[in-house]
Amino acid sequence: AQTVTQSQPEMSVQEAETVTLSCTYDTSESDYYLFWYKQPPSRQMILVIRQEAYKQQNATENRFSVNFQKAAKSFSLKISDSQLGDAAMYFCAYRSGTASKLTFGTGTRLQVTL
Amino acid sequence: DTGVSQDPRHKITKRGQNVTFRCDPISEHNRLYWYRQTLGQGPEFLTYFQNEAQLEKSRLLSDRFSAERPKGSFSTLEIQRTEQGDSAMYLCASSDGRQNFYGYTFGSGTRLTVV
Repeated sequence: AQTVTQSQPEMSVQEAETVTLSCTYDTSESDYYLFWYKQPPSRQMILVIRQEAYKQQNATENRFSVNFQKAAKSFSLKISDSQLGDAAMYFCAYRSGTASKLTFGTGTRLQVTL
Repeated sequence: DTGVSQDPRHKITKRGQNVTFRCDPISEHNRLYWYRQTLGQGPEFLTYFQNEAQLEKSRLLSDRFSAERPKGSFSTLEIQRTEQGDSAMYLCASSDGRQNFYGYTFGSGTRLTVV
């Protein structure tokens, strides 16, 4: 079974600084997708960024980018120019190319300070 | 389209009672998922539907849990004889099965408290 590990329960970053959230996963498959979701307090989970495993180029979405290391099974999220609104729980998730369900990590709580 | 809607937002029930939650997915999405999230944890998969067919159920979904999606539109998740361990956030999500890359759209969840 696939597993997703987020080893940082909490992280803190100052406004306008850069922070990197770690995620590793375990799979024997070659076809899969990886996602980062953001869950603000008492609000719904929203998709931040996604990556297809067959693509070597790292995905970017404005201030959010990933460092996808397929051989190391690592998928970290970098948030540049952090804003107060970035404060949330961040979940890394894995999806097999042959299945529909997502497998989530335990999350990293990001605090953004002034 | 207002996204994925879940009702109610909060539910407090006494142990042993039955509860039912409703999810209305994005209308163009043929897949619908139920997840459970406990405090400090990531969401755990419960079950999913493609149209009206329930295609996969997690071992987490005990006999007390049942989900339906009549006519492939909204879905209901029922928990019978609730237990304190059922207290959690129940999340619904939907997706277009033809576009696996785009992930899910989640609802705001139903928070269940069993007292």
